[in-house]
Amino acid sequence: DQQVKQNSPSLSVQEGRISILNCDYTNSMFDYFLWYKKYPAEGPTFLISISSIKDKNEDGRFTVFLNKSAKHLSLHIVPSQPGDSAVYFCAARDLSGNTPLVFGKGTRLSVIA
Amino acid sequence: KAGVTQTPRYLIKTRGQQVTLSCSPISGHRSVSWYQQTPGQGLQFLFEYFSETQRNKGNFPGRFSGRQFSNSRSEMNVSTLELGDSALYLCASSLGGVTPGNTIYFGEGSWLTVV
Repeated sequence: DQQVKQNSPSLSVQEGRISILNCDYTNSMFDYFLWYKKYPAEGPTFLISISSIKDKNEDGRFTVFLNKSAKHLSLHIVPSQPGDSAVYFCAARDLSGNTPLVFGKGTRLSVIA
Repeated sequence: KAGVTQTPRYLIKTRGQQVTLSCSPISGHRSVSWYQQTPGQGLQFLFEYFSETQRNKGNFPGRFSGRQFSNSRSEMNVSTLELGDSALYLCASSLGGVTPGNTIYFGEGSWLTVV
């Protein structure tokens, strides 16, 4: 049973436009969420996180929104740049840090110049 | 501040052999986790060590094992390799403990090919 789901395997966006990557989770114990970016043959790079006490967290061009009632989060990238082309993973865990990070299967973002 | 270091980066093994992968966490980090990534499967959790003790274990067969040393460095071992073990093995470190919202940082991974 997949606890973290990224239902879109791929997404294509024009340079300069907004990229929206979605993630759904089923485990109500999750209260800390992270987004990672991954290039081929490299390890995932931490992008941004949000805890369940907030509904929005912003860092430069990246904003993560959390809708706890819908068990849904999204990552917005504005404006999208060609260098953003990568696989984006959503991950979740509980705040205690005593449980492993659970990942979605990723969404491949292609930003077209 | 040095990141998470994994060795070796690339290796090729034959079916039936065993392999040991090494991970040095970020200085001061006491938690080390291991993940397997295969095409289309995302990152599958293998196990997590905290202060030399295995704290969590994923759903992998007993051929996969690990350990953590007193300096927080960790190794994982896969015995009796199968073709399906070919994957990118990722190590991640964090402060661990009960500090809320620990960010987890990944190494660049070890690419294992079993032939």
